Amino acid sequence: NAGVTQTPKFRVLKTGQSMTLLCAQDMNHEYMYWYRQDPGMGLRLIHYSVGEGTTAKGEVPDGYNVSRLKKQNFLLGLESAAPSQTSVYFCASSAGYSNQPQHFGDGTRLSIL
Amino acid sequence: GQNIDQPTEMTATEGAIVQINCTYQTSGFNGLFWYQQHAGEAPTFLSYNVLDGLEEKGRFSSFLSRSKGYSYLLLKELQMKDSASYLCAVMDSNYQLIWGAGTKLIIKP
Repeated sequence: NAGVTQTPKFRVLKTGQSMTLLCAQDMNHEYMYWYRQDPGMGLRLIHYSVGEGTTAKGEVPDGYNVSRLKKQNFLLGLESAAPSQTSVYFCASSAGYSNQPQHFGDGTRLSIL
Repeated sequence: GQNIDQPTEMTATEGAIVQINCTYQTSGFNGLFWYQQHAGEAPTFLSYNVLDGLEEKGRFSSFLSRSKGYSYLLLKELQMKDSASYLCAVMDSNYQLIWGAGTKLIIKP
């Protein structure tokens, strides 16, 4: 049982380049999330989805776009990468939005030069 | 604003007991989660509290006082593998998780 799978695991980009981070879950969860984790800070929500075809902005959405074309996949795009977007990105999914825990992927370590 | 406070780092001895505190100020409250995160790995779910009191799960227990905006995670019979960061997260009135920065727990033999 794979759970939540993120690709790639590592990536180095140059400022201005674009890329897409992929997240796939095999637990049939309705809810999916993208977070970034920076040293000394809590996880911050970038975008989330409450079901196939829906997306919503989180706390820090600027510079990112997302799509949820299929229930099992949630894609995070960086339109024009900036050094401030250097971070570890985590995807998570949950069965519900209240008392259901979020299950996390292993993360994508992204460096923008 | 919304705020979750946890100690940055704690040290404890193998076999001992440690209590990691979390205080919060959020717009609404719909539950509190504790997660464990080993260095370089994903956070994994430990516990959930929505009502006041103590929830026990093996060596780990979590306590909540909603009136005080306070929770703690209690780890007993510490093992070296418990060396990790422990993240406190509160679900606010919009059902979004607000995360603390985490407490790095160092276990010494």
